[in-house]
Amino acid sequence: GAGVSQSPSNKVTEKGKDVELRCDPISGHTALYWYRQRLGQGLEFLIYFQGNSAPDKSGLPSDRFSAERTGESVSTLTIQRTQQEDSAVYLCASSSPGTGSLSNQPQHFGDGTRLSIL
Amino acid sequence: GESVGLHLPTLSVQEGDNSIINCAYSNSASDYFIWYKQESGKGPQFIIDIRSNMDKRQGQRVTVLLNKTVKHLSLQIAATQPGDSAVYFCAENTDTGNQFYFGTGTSLTVIP
Repeated sequence: GAGVSQSPSNKVTEKGKDVELRCDPISGHTALYWYRQRLGQGLEFLIYFQGNSAPDKSGLPSDRFSAERTGESVSTLTIQRTQQEDSAVYLCASSSPGTGSLSNQPQHFGDGTRLSIL
Repeated sequence: GESVGLHLPTLSVQEGDNSIINCAYSNSASDYFIWYKQESGKGPQFIIDIRSNMDKRQGQRVTVLLNKTVKHLSLQIAATQPGDSAVYFCAENTDTGNQFYFGTGTSLTVIP
């Protein structure tokens, strides 16, 4: 497809288990973002990848959260030893590189993974 | 740090009326702004963007206004339709920053 694809769309797991969420960005988009959205709230930045540069991990809430990206393609967000407060929708977005004065480009979002921790 | 906030958390309008959703930002260095629409169970969908060298930009039935003097952004939706019912977010970014900062959202309900 042409859009950002996330899987699984829903994930229910027990407290203490590890989960891995996947994001397939739009082809050619060098920037990739992960956000967390709790019910009825706005988007909380988690991590940002841009090409081969070191990722900006400043939004990760704890060391239980980590993310990887292979080149400019798929990214995975891993949450270890899940807690009930990790329950949320995890959204991935990608954007194209832009050039010069148009270095900022809009983000295109997937529909998210709804994570529920029992 | 930066903050982006919305004046009204909920807005109800009659079908066919115009809607105005407002957003305030505090970082004077922000130079790029986006409005997103999020329907239930979906990810945010890009509506329109504006750069700081402009004060108005129009799309199909939507207009974004930027007032840099008072750090205010608004989204105007003309002839609002039931399909416009959603949560609307504004987001800001600086040219040198990686992060987009999102407001908490305004829930728009269109009454048929």
